[in-house]
Amino acid sequence: QTVVTQESSLSVSPGGTITLTCALSSGSVSTGHWPSWYQQTPGQSPRTLMSRTNIRSSGVPDRFSGSILENKAALTITGAQADDEDIYYCVLYLGSGIWVFGGGTKVTVL
Amino acid sequence: QVQLVESGGGVVQPGGSLRLSCETSGFKFSDYGMHWVRQAPGKGLEWVAFIRFDGSNQYYPDSVKGRFTVSRDNSKKTLFLQMSSLRAGDTAMYFCARIADNTFDFWGQGTLVTVSS
Repeated sequence: QTVVTQESSLSVSPGGTITLTCALSSGSVSTGHWPSWYQQTPGQSPRTLMSRTNIRSSGVPDRFSGSILENKAALTITGAQADDEDIYYCVLYLGSGIWVFGGGTKVTVL
Repeated sequence: QVQLVESGGGVVQPGGSLRLSCETSGFKFSDYGMHWVRQAPGKGLEWVAFIRFDGSNQYYPDSVKGRFTVSRDNSKKTLFLQMSSLRAGDTAMYFCARIADNTFDFWGQGTLVTVSS
């Protein structure tokens, strides 16, 4: 069974930079996995941040960026703000109609 | 604007069945594939089902395969999830989501399913 792994928690200082990663148990992540990222505040539905590795969704600040970094999908927040304190999920498309979410990364801004 | 509104959640006994609905508006429903995603209390997101734009194919993870069935009525712009043989582990908030460019681009607010005796 393929597993997608994210850091369980990360912290960043206000104004700092943080990178979240999304790894695939079966090997390297590529753009062919169509990595996408979602932000969720507990009790709310997810908000789409990033599609196709690095395409920001409408209204998403440009301090959020996506990439492939060392065989993992990555979401970088540059100039973190208090509002960015949330849970972030990645999802990868494995082909044949199958998607797998990562376990989520809780980001703390302190 | 795009809207997705789930309904049909509730409390059901183990082994029971439930049918969820996702009513959509603000876009051409018949042009888009659709997903169901769930989230157990205090846990992460789990993909549950995908159906192509025309209903021609459905896909599921092993955790629900054979128990859940996704379907759609394009004339009513509505997505469904028929759940049977429900277990305590199926207790979760169930979200419907639209797919575009292999991205879950719009999400509903969710409907809560509780499996308990």
